[in-house]
Amino acid sequence: DAGITQSPRHKVTETGTPVTLRCHQTENHRYMYWYRQDPGHGLRLIHYSYGVKDTDKGEVSDGYSVSRSKTEDFLLTLESATSSQTSVYFCAIRDSRGQPQHFGDGTRLSIL
Amino acid sequence: QQQVKQSPQSLIVQKGGISIINCAYENTAFDYFPWYQQFPGKGPALLIAIRPDVSEKKEGRFTISFNKSAKQFSLHIMDSQPGDSATYFCAASPEETSGSRLTFGEGTQLTVNP
Repeated sequence: DAGITQSPRHKVTETGTPVTLRCHQTENHRYMYWYRQDPGHGLRLIHYSYGVKDTDKGEVSDGYSVSRSKTEDFLLTLESATSSQTSVYFCAIRDSRGQPQHFGDGTRLSIL
Repeated sequence: QQQVKQSPQSLIVQKGGISIINCAYENTAFDYFPWYQQFPGKGPALLIAIRPDVSEKKEGRFTISFNKSAKQFSLHIMDSQPGDSATYFCAASPEETSGSRLTFGEGTQLTVNP
């Protein structure tokens, strides 16, 4: 398995609270991605990073922010969580062009 | 909008049968087409991938067929086994641009009965 650790694996929180999810990699890969998975939608890209402090938006970025201060860590923050952000969140990493993305095992987030 | 359409949503196959999942895409800039397999509680894992310079790629029991003119590609699982029961996702990306952002299909839940 690719060296990807997502934390926490499960979280329940209330609407309006801030939430930060962490993705940690031990592969020293350049690219990191955050996706959310919802029934009927597959996986949808939230944000991605192509290097330290270099990030860009995906197709469902509203309500989310990211930071990457070190190669190994990519943080996803929900500044004020809403019930529509209840989902399973996956982090992925990729080494370079021509290489596939490898996924972590996800964080199940429930916002009540 | 969904740029990659996947069908069927669910599929039930008998052991030893052939499972076929289809995907269609719209963006002609896509040039990398992977399939991912996902088991409950786990992240998607790369199964097989194809680039548009070939029309078919086979790895063991898994084959991707690719039709560039129709903008369609499909996954065939030969001699399907109960252990193949999982959710399968097709995806596509413009590999050399936009950080190789993957666009996923909606997923197909495959059940292989013993």
